Amino acid sequence: DAGVTQSPTHLIKTRGQQVTLRCSPISGHKSVSWYQQVLGQGPQFIFQYYEKEERGRGNFPDRFSARQFPNYSSELNVNALLLGDSALYLCASSLRQGGYTFGSGTRLTVV
Amino acid sequence: GENVEQHPSTLSVQEGDSAVIKCTYSDSASNYFPWYKQELGKGPQLIIDIRSNVGEKKDQRIAVTLNKTAKHFSLHITETQPEDSAVYFCAASLASGGSYIPTFGRGTSLIVHP
Repeated sequence: DAGVTQSPTHLIKTRGQQVTLRCSPISGHKSVSWYQQVLGQGPQFIFQYYEKEERGRGNFPDRFSARQFPNYSSELNVNALLLGDSALYLCASSLRQGGYTFGSGTRLTVV
Repeated sequence: GENVEQHPSTLSVQEGDSAVIKCTYSDSASNYFPWYKQELGKGPQLIIDIRSNVGEKKDQRIAVTLNKTAKHFSLHITETQPEDSAVYFCAASLASGGSYIPTFGRGTSLIVHP
């Protein structure tokens, strides 16, 4: 069975640009969460979606937005990129109250 | 919100020794405590979890203990092997309704020397 897949795996953007990251959850998982992981730190919660509805939002600016599609895949959008947005962005899917399964992440570098 | 402290940040052991990683949490309502292992270039992988109605849980060489009164929980790895080398994260969350959102610690880099 395929795990959580994220695309792209790496990308480089310039300050001020916009980026869209994509995530496909494990088949049958209806919950998708997004985390930001800065080097040397634990993952920081950004968003959680369940059945296409936002269930939680972390302490991130409005430049960050997300959505979940009818097939439960998800996109994370970041506008007006800053150098500090450089990080590994992780997507995780889960059953209703099960443990998270993470993807391998998207490494975003802002220059 | 929830705050999770994790110690130590780095742990170096010899192969065959035991390793213990400790975490504390701030929200007494938290009731689900997963542990994740992250290898280089990969996302975190769930290795064991414990719920607040249980004090200890074991899975082969890995065990987790929970002290709700003191609001701390620990990961114990026995007979460590070089392949256990990775970054380990603890997390605490409140599982209610339809979802839960774990708050992660800063991680422990475990190095097992052959």
